[in-house]
Amino acid sequence: KAGVTQTPRYLIKTRGQQVTLSCSPISGHRSVSWYQQTPGQGLQFLFEYFSETQRNKGNFPGRFSGRQFSNSRSEMNVSTLELGDSALYLCASSSGTTNTGELFFGEGSRLTVL
Amino acid sequence: GQQLNQSPQSMFIQEGEDVSMNCTSSSIFNTWLWYKQDPGEGPVLLIALYKAGELTSNGRLTAQFGITRKDSFLNISASIPSDVGIYFCAGPPPSGSARQLTFGSGTQLTVLP
Repeated sequence: KAGVTQTPRYLIKTRGQQVTLSCSPISGHRSVSWYQQTPGQGLQFLFEYFSETQRNKGNFPGRFSGRQFSNSRSEMNVSTLELGDSALYLCASSSGTTNTGELFFGEGSRLTVL
Repeated sequence: GQQLNQSPQSMFIQEGEDVSMNCTSSSIFNTWLWYKQDPGEGPVLLIALYKAGELTSNGRLTAQFGITRKDSFLNISASIPSDVGIYFCAGPPPSGSARQLTFGSGTQLTVLP
């Protein structure tokens, strides 16, 4: 079956702009989690959505938000971009009903903020 | 929050050698996970450990869940070029969502021919 699809793969923005990233999970998966990966901070959990509801949230400012649609596709938005928001944003898909910790990651969206 | 200390940060080994890396935490984990990330891709789960003392193998990979529940190690035997990548340990909070993983800082593995 098709894997996790993230779009766009690469994008460049300037400070103060906003960005929206999209994630389509594996068919049948209802949980979508978002992670930020940077050289300095590593992989950090942003939030998890399940059945269109935010189920968990990491320690990020309110400029980072997300949503999930009825078909389980998810978007995350970052407003008022800062240079430090430059990162690889990874989406992870799972059934959301088991506690195995197994996440299926997409290839990521690499955001550069100038 | 929880933190995972992963070592070594990087390793350069000859093809055919065995590799060992480990992860420690100041707090208890009930699940230990090992992921691998290839360049330009997202992490992929290699091994999952759910019980203290558990030793699990996946081909040439072997991982153990420490008895104290505060550490885990991953061994790779007879390394090959495709083992190159970044290896992460990870775990969910004991009382939280299994999707809210804390990741170690990673071990960058380079296999020399």
